[in-house]
Amino acid sequence: SQQGEEDPQALSIQEGENATMNCSYKTSINNLQWYRQNSGRGLVHLILIRSNEREKHSGRLRVTLDTSKKSSSLLITASRAADTASYFCATERQTSGSRLTFGEGTQLTVNP
Amino acid sequence: DGGITQSPKYLFRKEGQNVTLSCEQNLNHDAMYWYRQDPGQGLRLIYYSQIVNDFQKGDIAEGYSVSREKKESFPLTVTSAQKNPTAFYLCASSILAGGPSSYNEQFFGPGTRLTVL
Repeated sequence: SQQGEEDPQALSIQEGENATMNCSYKTSINNLQWYRQNSGRGLVHLILIRSNEREKHSGRLRVTLDTSKKSSSLLITASRAADTASYFCATERQTSGSRLTFGEGTQLTVNP
Repeated sequence: DGGITQSPKYLFRKEGQNVTLSCEQNLNHDAMYWYRQDPGQGLRLIYYSQIVNDFQKGDIAEGYSVSREKKESFPLTVTSAQKNPTAFYLCASSILAGGPSSYNEQFFGPGTRLTVL
């Protein structure tokens, strides 16, 4: 079964607004990663947060991790139409070696 | 899509045929992975390989086979035993082969869309 579950499944906002996506997981992890996928394309790595970190920033992206609640959030600030894509969280479990387990994704639509 | 390529971009298969999807990387990565993605869904792991001449089953390996004869190449064969092969197939690679403190960002190819006629 999928380790990560994203919420919401779909999100539609206006340009300039912030977008927040959440991810929950079930087992202990080494790290959690967020990826982006444009329609019909491969995934692109956005940001990784290790299990001993609580918050990380990269440009307009902010990721938080709460290991006690087994959850993470991805915040995209000042969204742009070009941010329209699917966003996936992926977890590297402590017992899985190099494997990642992906969630179902959040489809983000940013309207101009 | 970085230094990882997949071919072909589109592939059509008749029922009962085996087909092989190509995945090549020039990133000198140890680990390679094959995923299947169905419409509106996440990625499911088919097979992965952490070193040449070795590979492990993922969550949905039935009906698929792989080989890892070279570090750069990890072809996936979709056999006639796979009952519902129509899907988008993604190959990925990562620099480290795992371990308790591994950093495992995966780099993805552009994907192959397989359709069974």
